[in-house]
Amino acid sequence: DSGVTQTPKHLITATGQRVTLRCSPRSGDLSVYWYQQSLDQGLQFLIHYYNGEERAKGNILERFSAQQFPDLHSELNLSSLELGDSALYFCASSVQGAANTEAFFGQGTRLTVV
Amino acid sequence: EDQVTQSPEALRLQEGESSSLNCSYTVSGLRGLFWYRQDPGKGPEFLFTLYSAGEEKEKERLKATLTKKESFLHITAPKPEDSATYLCAVQPHSGNTPLVFGKGTRLSVIA
Repeated sequence: DSGVTQTPKHLITATGQRVTLRCSPRSGDLSVYWYQQSLDQGLQFLIHYYNGEERAKGNILERFSAQQFPDLHSELNLSSLELGDSALYFCASSVQGAANTEAFFGQGTRLTVV
Repeated sequence: EDQVTQSPEALRLQEGESSSLNCSYTVSGLRGLFWYRQDPGKGPEFLFTLYSAGEEKEKERLKATLTKKESFLHITAPKPEDSATYLCAVQPHSGNTPLVFGKGTRLSVIA
């Protein structure tokens, strides 16, 4: 158990809908990262928050947004969902804001858009 | 552009048959190289961090090594429970760039 908690584990929704994925980082970790993993792709970085502030953005679609709350949990909001958004979404956390600290991953949320 | 290429894509070994997985990278200054293990439908599990060429780290049957252009994950006398996808990731020096992952090597160890 990495200590990173993601909910829900599975989500099935229709095209055009909006969903919210939740992540609770390990105790003491200030950084939260969101990644998307599709069948044909590796882990694709979406966005990074450190202590409530956005630190870096990857290939995140405009339909997607995220935030980190004062208690350090984070939410990833996906809207106007398309079939191609079906993927595993992972959250990871680390102690520091950047640099060479290992990130610990949650078990992921499997999103299926039908 | 920072890139990570892992080979082979898939590897099938007999139990006890040692082998190596390769991770080659191009990055604008390497801050760290990371190895993760991922079981199907699960989140990646951290294995090792390597920081400089010549560094080696070991954990049970796994040993990771690093050169200036690539890293190897050596698996000695593997067991079926070592079957998983092994992911390599690099963290570039520039700014707050997070980890850049390769697509992984899918390892199957047959009893």
